[in-house]
Amino acid sequence: GDSVTQMEGPVTLSEEAFLTINCTYTATGYPSLFWYVQYPGEGLQLLLKATKADDKGSNKGFEATYRKETTSFHLEKGSVQVSDSAVYFCALSAPSNDYKLSFGAGTTVTVRA
Amino acid sequence: DGGITQSPKYLFRKEGQNVTLSCEQNLNHDAMYWYRQDPGQGLRLIYYSQIVNDFQKGDIAEGYSVSREKKESFPLTVTSAQKNPTAFYLCASSSILVTSGSYEQYFGPGTRLTVT
Repeated sequence: GDSVTQMEGPVTLSEEAFLTINCTYTATGYPSLFWYVQYPGEGLQLLLKATKADDKGSNKGFEATYRKETTSFHLEKGSVQVSDSAVYFCALSAPSNDYKLSFGAGTTVTVRA
Repeated sequence: DGGITQSPKYLFRKEGQNVTLSCEQNLNHDAMYWYRQDPGQGLRLIYYSQIVNDFQKGDIAEGYSVSREKKESFPLTVTSAQKNPTAFYLCASSSILVTSGSYEQYFGPGTRLTVT
């Protein structure tokens, strides 16, 4: 079945450091790919998305490119801030799975001043 | 403002009692979902509904029940049969129209249920 594997955390960085969170997927057909962010005590917010190969999603300085050849959707940000401290979830949605979201386990990121 | 509301934010119950969590959306989405999140873990799907008066079990439906009498509302009941009900519960919705594109889900703020 469809699945997502993302880099285990926790990840601790200093402010202005470069952030990468790896995400790979397994799916039949052509899934859509998403990154969600969850701040403490809150629900999930959609951070960015990509719907086809080579699409780049971007938002708030974060970027991720849909790589079909490597089945990956790695999240990157060039210069993190303390406010980026959160849990990040990679997810996919595919017609083969009734368009339900399959989530990775989440990666906790802590940015120190 | 369009969005998803969940109430209450915190809920406390005694063991053996049923409890109902509210979820309402005004995004005109057809599909609605309930997830459970335990500390340090990902999300697990409890139930979902793609149309009024119809719903399907997710991965961990035992001990839970839902109804979908209106498009806007998808309440979740945590029954006394749920062995470990203390968790953070998240409701979500999505459009399932082909023209909408990518079927992303939008989440509510969550309800933290504590059963003692």
